[in-house]
Amino acid sequence: AQTVTQSQPEMSVQEAETVTLSCTYDTSESNYYLFWYKQPPSRQMILVIRQEAYKQQNATENRFSVNFQKAAKSFSLKISDSQLGDTAMYFCAFMKPQGGSEKLVFGKGTKLTVNP
Amino acid sequence: AAGVIQSPRHLIKEKRETATLKCYPIPRHDTVYWYQQGPGQDPQFLISFYEKMQSDKGSIPDRFSAQQFSDYHSELNMSSLELGDSALYFCATSKSRAFISAFFGQGTRLTVV
Repeated sequence: AQTVTQSQPEMSVQEAETVTLSCTYDTSESNYYLFWYKQPPSRQMILVIRQEAYKQQNATENRFSVNFQKAAKSFSLKISDSQLGDTAMYFCAFMKPQGGSEKLVFGKGTKLTVNP
Repeated sequence: AAGVIQSPRHLIKEKRETATLKCYPIPRHDTVYWYQQGPGQDPQFLISFYEKMQSDKGSIPDRFSAQQFSDYHSELNMSSLELGDSALYFCATSKSRAFISAFFGQGTRLTVV
């Protein structure tokens, strides 16, 4: 079974600075997807970024980028120019494509606070 | 743009009562996934449906059942509620079982007292 580990329960950063959230996972699969989800106080689960394992290029979405190290099974999220609205719980998640049985396995989450 | 709609947003029930949670997908989405997120916990997969048939089953208690209807909306029925069922229940929907294109609803917060 796949497991996802987020070793930082809480982090804080000053507005406009850069912060990196860590995520490691364990799998024997070669093809899979990795996600970062943001859950603000409203509790809505919002997709931040996703990475396909067979793509070597790291995914980027505006201020959000990942450092995907497949051999090390590491998938960290970098947030540049942090904004107050980035304050949220961030979940790393793993998914193995199963043609109809796709489900996410989540880490325990990292609570990020952006300070003014 | 239309999003995934869950109703109700909040629900308070007493122990041993029954609750029904509803999930209305984005238009043309035919796949529904249900997740349970306990207080301070990560979401756990419960069950999924594709084209009105159960697709996969996770850690869903026998007291819970779910189905997907002809209009692709889904309902999660929870009976003999326990205090431990208090949680945020999310559904996500996608097209043709492609979760990489899925969107989550805003969740239903169930409180069992």
